Amino acid sequence: GAVVSQHPSWVICKSGTSVKIECRSLDFQATTMFWYRQFPKQSLMLMATSNEGSKATYEQGVEKDKFLINHASLTLSTLTVTSAHPEDSSFYICSATLGVRSQPQHFGDGTRLSIL
Amino acid sequence: SQELEQSPQSLIVQEGKNLTINCTSSKTLYGLYWYKQKYGEGLIFLMMLQKGGEEKSHEKITAKLDEKKQQSSLHITASQPSHAGIYLCGADMNDYKLSFGAGTTVTVRA
Repeated sequence: GAVVSQHPSWVICKSGTSVKIECRSLDFQATTMFWYRQFPKQSLMLMATSNEGSKATYEQGVEKDKFLINHASLTLSTLTVTSAHPEDSSFYICSATLGVRSQPQHFGDGTRLSIL
Repeated sequence: SQELEQSPQSLIVQEGKNLTINCTSSKTLYGLYWYKQKYGEGLIFLMMLQKGGEEKSHEKITAKLDEKKQQSSLHITASQPSHAGIYLCGADMNDYKLSFGAGTTVTVRA
């Protein structure tokens, strides 16, 4: 149980393109989803917290107009990297949770984004 | 600043030997989570600790949280090649969000 699917797993696109990444909880309803960014050989950095039906809460230093997050249902959150540039190239990973303190976050397999 | 210190940064262990990874917080934690990651892939949930003094085991992996809820250790007994990967501790500082340690890269040599 507690499967989180993230799509696409890998994307290469030209500078200036907008890229959408989907995060789905397959077998549970996720009231809260989180988006992280991971640089090579570094740990995960939280970008934003996404609650179903409300605006995402962004961490300090993360541009909300650059990284658009939508959490329209209890099983789907999307991250759109708008007008992507090479410095946005990274590994993006989402997690989903029931929102109950006794339950852990479950992670997707990540999306490797490469901007040329 | 790094609120969560994880050590060692990397370690190489002979197959069949034991290993221990430590995770220390500067603050009292609500919960401590251990995950395993293969490079470029997602995180696999291993264990969650929420009570001071708590200890949990699954197969050959044991995780402990100290009484003050500021330090945790992950111990692997009789390591196997399947134990190779990056181990991450994540801390809930009482705001539902997780702050992660820098990770420990484990290499198991045959």
